[in-house]
Amino acid sequence: RKEVEQDPGPFNVPEGATVAFNCTYSNSASQSFFWYRQDCRKEPKLLMSVYSSGNEDGRFTAQLNRASQYISLLIRDSKLSDSATYLCVVNLPRAGYQKVTFGTGTKLQVIP
Amino acid sequence: GAVVSQHPSWVICKSGTSVKIECRSLDFQATTMFWYRQFPKQSLMLMATSNEGSKATYEQGVEKDKFLINHASLTLSTLTVTSAHPEDSSFYICSARAPSGGDNEQFFGPGTRLTVL
Repeated sequence: RKEVEQDPGPFNVPEGATVAFNCTYSNSASQSFFWYRQDCRKEPKLLMSVYSSGNEDGRFTAQLNRASQYISLLIRDSKLSDSATYLCVVNLPRAGYQKVTFGTGTKLQVIP
Repeated sequence: GAVVSQHPSWVICKSGTSVKIECRSLDFQATTMFWYRQFPKQSLMLMATSNEGSKATYEQGVEKDKFLINHASLTLSTLTVTSAHPEDSSFYICSARAPSGGDNEQFFGPGTRLTVL
């Protein structure tokens, strides 16, 4: 089983739609979780951290379910500019450092 | 947010040569930097974690003698791909952890596209 798994998509949604991505992780000792956004041929940029209590930033809502070992990202009122690949990131503590694992990403295409 | 630069942004080299990639945190001191590799249509794969003043920690399957990492200062880490081969052609991205980031947020450099002929 992969350490971090995402549905690769692509998700093709019309403008204004609501879309949700899930990401599962295999190691229950994982401590911190993030969603990053990566545009084509660019570096990833942090979208938001994911907290146990859930967190919201404008149109974006992230949630963590430790029992089921998955995190989710909800995007409301999709914009054309939201088209990108969304990467789930999981940090696992190791002796002296943290192992950072990226999911393969979910591609979102927002259609006019 | 914090800024991380990489140099060069792209490089083409002959098989057998060595290539050095620099990663700099421009406005903060990074005790930890990470090096990733990304092949087309694949996710970022962590290659190694680099702590200032100590040896890098390499992920399984990454040859430490082939990918030399030096983190000599709090603002600079270098990755040297030694005796590069065509299969080493990839997008190499570094990131740096901001020291005040309680969430362990990483800031990424713009990446270096390496093509080995």
